[in-house]
Amino acid sequence: EVQLLESGGGLLQPGGSLRLSCAASGFTFSSYAMSWVRQAPGKGLEWVSGISGSGDTAYFADSVKGRFTISRDNSKNTLYLQMKSLRAEDTAVYHCAKGDIPGFYGYYGLDVWGQGTTVTVSS
Amino acid sequence: DIQLTQSPSFLSASVGDRVTITCRANQGLNSYLAWYQQKPGKAPKLLIYAESTLQSGVPSRFSGSGSGTEFTLTISSLQPEDFASYYCQQLNSYPLTFGGGTKVEIK
Repeated sequence: EVQLLESGGGLLQPGGSLRLSCAASGFTFSSYAMSWVRQAPGKGLEWVSGISGSGDTAYFADSVKGRFTISRDNSKNTLYLQMKSLRAEDTAVYHCAKGDIPGFYGYYGLDVWGQGTTVTVSS
Repeated sequence: DIQLTQSPSFLSASVGDRVTITCRANQGLNSYLAWYQQKPGKAPKLLIYAESTLQSGVPSRFSGSGSGTEFTLTISSLQPEDFASYYCQQLNSYPLTFGGGTKVEIK
């Protein structure tokens, strides 16, 4: 069964840092682009970042550019999101998700999602 | 960045109704448009990809259409389990973006 399981969320103060993890299983992890998508309380979905299967190419939403980095360890089938200089507006449930076909460009949807991990930024 | 404008943001409908949700992009998407369903407290679920292709296991009452910059998700006969939020997403270019969402509630 294809599965994604996020971890690492928590409560922290503005300006803090946190690293989220996403453990993948049931598919050839290194072949697929992965994304992080977040949802603030009562709000819609926001794509945060994506990374190629090899890990050599990544993109970010303007709202997190320069503060967040994305990486992956294909030997451990794990995706990461390193978050720094956190703000109250980063409070959200963070989901990792998998592209539906192999490759970083030209996939058509995010077909598998984790249940999410909650990040709360508050003083 | 590509902007997606989804409408309506909220709609109230009855079981059996035909429901249409629209997603407009500020530039062409080359059919790289997906639709998701999300229920409270759950992860989003991919319904339709490549503008009109039904994801495996999704009931045939869901359909997608459109071209260029305007896209629609249609539910031909709304069922109780369809009351949820729906989002469009463009995958034509990075950064990927979502529409603002449509919440479908019971009338």
